[in-house]
Amino acid sequence: QKEVEQDPGPLSVPEGAIVSLNCTYSNSAFQYFMWYRQYSRKGPELLMYTYSSGNKEDGRFTAQVDKSSKYISLFIRDSQPSDSATYLCAMSGGGAGSYQLTFGKGTKLSVIP
Amino acid sequence: GAGVSQSPSNKVTEKGKDVELRCDPISGHTALYWYRQRLGQGLEFLIYFQGNSAPDKSGLPSDRFSAERTGESVSTLTIQRTQQEDSAVYLCASSLEGRARWATQYFGPGTRLTVL
Repeated sequence: QKEVEQDPGPLSVPEGAIVSLNCTYSNSAFQYFMWYRQYSRKGPELLMYTYSSGNKEDGRFTAQVDKSSKYISLFIRDSQPSDSATYLCAMSGGGAGSYQLTFGKGTKLSVIP
Repeated sequence: GAGVSQSPSNKVTEKGKDVELRCDPISGHTALYWYRQRLGQGLEFLIYFQGNSAPDKSGLPSDRFSAERTGESVSTLTIQRTQQEDSAVYLCASSLEGRARWATQYFGPGTRLTVL
C-alpha cells in the first residue's frame, strides 16, 4: 500500500459545479496537509495548507482533514475553466524530517465551459 | 519578489552524457529541495539543503546523481552517465526553515529532461 493514494481521474465537470478531490494516507505521523495546483508544463503552486484535523477555507476553496479516517479533501465551489489543472495532495510529519513532503500522484481536473 | 527559477527549461541529451540542472531559490529562503516527477507519478524527494548544514541526500536514486549548493543561493543537480529512466521533470523548491514553514514549499517551473 502506497503512503498516499489519490485517484488520478481524469475528472470532468461543467462550469459552476462543486468539485471534490480526495486523498487517503496510511502514515498516522502525518501532521501537515497541503494541496498544490499544477498547470500543464508548470511547477506546482501551493493552494492550501492545514495543520492537523479540521477545515480551512480560502475563497472558493475548502480543505478538510479527517485524521481519524486518514482522509483529506479539497472542495472547489463555483468551478471555473481556469481551475482546469492537476491537483496534488502532499503531506509531512511533525518530526525532524518533516521537510520531506510525500505527494499523491495527482488528479487531473477539466472544467468545461 | 521573484519566485524560484530553474534552467534550462528543457534539456535533451544522449544516453551516457552528463547533465547539469540549475536552481535559483527565492531570496531569503534557507531551505532548498530537489524533486523528480516522472510521467504519471507523484513527486519524488531527492535532496534537501538547509543553510550550511550537511544536506539530506537520502532520496538520490543512485550515485550518478549529485547536488551542490553554495551558501544560501544557487543549487545545481548533476546527473552523470544519463540513462533513459532518468527522463523526467526535475523540480526545485525553496522555503523558510521550521516545521510549519517546511510545509509551505514554493516550486520552480522545472527542467524537463529527455534522455534519448
